[in-house]
Amino acid sequence: EVQLLESGGGLVQPGGSLRLSCAASGFTFSSYAMSWVRQAPGKGLEWVSAISGSGDSTYYADSVKGRFTISRDNSKNTLFLQMNSLRADDTAVYYCAKLRSVVVVAATNHWGQGILVTVSS
Amino acid sequence: DIQMTQSPSSLSASVGDRVTITCRASQGISNYLAWYQQKPGKVPKLLIYAASTLQSGVPSRFSGSGSGTDFTLTISSLQPEDVATYYCQKYNSAPLTFGGGTRVEIK
Repeated sequence: EVQLLESGGGLVQPGGSLRLSCAASGFTFSSYAMSWVRQAPGKGLEWVSAISGSGDSTYYADSVKGRFTISRDNSKNTLFLQMNSLRADDTAVYYCAKLRSVVVVAATNHWGQGILVTVSS
Repeated sequence: DIQMTQSPSSLSASVGDRVTITCRASQGISNYLAWYQQKPGKVPKLLIYAASTLQSGVPSRFSGSGSGTDFTLTISSLQPEDVATYYCQKYNSAPLTFGGGTRVEIK
């Protein structure tokens, strides 16, 4: 059974940093691209970033480019999202998600439970 | 970047009704389109990928069609458990943009 467990969320001040982690199990982690998707309170889904199975290719939404960095450690089956220069509009539930392919040109077939990031003073 | 526009933003229908949700891409995306269902307070769930391929375990009353710029999600006979918000997502290339969502309620 695929399991994705996010951690590292919480309350942070504007301009601060946070690092999200996603521990994956139940599948061959390096064989699948992964992504982060967020959902602000009461709003729709927003794709944030994606990374190929090897980690060689990374992609970002314009809203986070230059501030967020996605990475993965295939030896530890873990996905990361380093978030810097956080703003109030980054407040959201962040979902770790597994794609259906090793490349990011794929639909998302598994989601974590999500973790809340709140940016506020 | 390609924009994804869903319509309507919300709808109310009776149990047993046929429900259709539309998703339009601002440029052609071939069939690189997925549909997701998110029930209130729950995690999104993949319903359909490649525009028309039903994900394993999804009831057959759900179907998808379209290619290029215009896509449709159809629920052939609406059930109470289908109350949810439905999202389309394009994945032909990054950014993997979602549509704005369609909230489906029971009348």
